[in-house]
Formats: sequence, C-alpha cells, structure tokens
Amino acid sequence: GAGVSQSPSNKVTEKGKDVELRCDPISGHTALYWYRQSLGQGLEFLIYFQGNSAPDKSGLPSDRFSAERTGGSVSTLTIQRTQQEDSAVYLCASSWDRGNEQFFGPGTRLTVL
Amino acid sequence: QKEVEQNSGPLSVPEGAIASLNCTYSDRGSQSFFWYRQYSGKSPELIMSIYSNGDKEDGRFTAQLNKASQYVSLLIRDSQPSDSATYLCAVNILTGGGNKLTFGTGTQLKVEL
Repeated sequence: GAGVSQSPSNKVTEKGKDVELRCDPISGHTALYWYRQSLGQGLEFLIYFQGNSAPDKSGLPSDRFSAERTGGSVSTLTIQRTQQEDSAVYLCASSWDRGNEQFFGPGTRLTVL
Repeated sequence: QKEVEQNSGPLSVPEGAIASLNCTYSDRGSQSFFWYRQYSGKSPELIMSIYSNGDKEDGRFTAQLNKASQYVSLLIRDSQPSDSATYLCAVNILTGGGNKLTFGTGTQLKVEL
C-alpha cells in the first residue's frame, strides 16, 4: 500500500514569507506527527494529532508555527514569517495509534534565504 | 536524565564484524521498543520492533531487550558498508498526555572496508 507522502520535497523561500507543507498519512492511521530535523541533529517533535482529539502542540517552537489536520487525514504545517533558523527537513509520520511504530514520509527540505 | 539515551558515536566497525548499538530509557513501564535506520539525506525507516524481554532476530539483525535494566540493543552481524547509517532507538514512554513514542538522538555507524 501507499506510504506517507509529503509535498513539496524541496522548498526554497525568502525570509519573511509564509510556507505550507503538506502530509498525506497512511490510510487508516489515526495518529499523525510532525518533526523537524536540522542538519546532523536528532528528531525534534513539533505537533501530534490523534483522531478528533485536541492536538498536542507542545513541541511547536513559536507562534509562527501552526498545523491542522482536515477530516482526520491530510495535514498542513504552516510557518509564517519564515526565518533562516527555520531551515531544516520537516518530517511527517503516521501510526495506528499513539505509542505504536511510526512510519515516516520522505520529508520536505525547507531552505530560508 | 533524558527519556531515551544513545551514544552519538560514530561507532566504527570493520566489514564483517558485529556492530552493537545500545539504548537506555527512563520509563520502567515502557512496553514497546523500535529501531529505525536513517541514511544520510533520507527519512527514518523502521527495521526492528521488540516487546518482550530477550532476543528477536531478523536476518542479520538482532534486537535485545532487558526491561529490568532498562536497555535495548541492536546487533548487526556480518556488517556491510551499506549498513553505514544513523540508528535511532524509539521507546513508548508514558507521559501526562498518554503514551508517546520518544526517539533517541541516534548512533552513527560506520562500516569500514
């Protein structure tokens, strides 16, 4: 079956612009996660969605970051007024339920000039 | 104390040797444990899961779990240069918000010819 997909694969933007990153999870997975990974670093948890429950936003680094998940499926991560320090790979993962193994998408490489 | 700890490495082993990767975790109640492999520039890929004390073998990979000592390890037999990657340990940790899969920062493995 289809895995987790993300788009775009690469995004180059200018400082101060807004960007939207998209994640399409594995069909049937109720849990969806966003992570950020800077070059040579570990995974930084950003936000988690589980079904219709309120999302866990505890990892969002600032109020410029927001995410939504429509219809319990596709999710969009939005970064407003991008800064150079936002440059990283943004990874999306999904799982059957929280605590189960997660399956990752290919990531979106964001470069802020 | 970090919830999931790994030695960052790099761990260098000669081709054909056994590579041993270790991970310790803080939550004594954790029940699910996973190993991911991440090649440079790629997203993490699930390679092993283990839930019970003891060994679990899959091809050249063996996961070992010791809940009493709170550690999980991954052995790679007959290491190949293609095994060179960063290996992430992930543990199901009970938090205030429920179960959460928590990742270590990864151990870089280099298999040398």
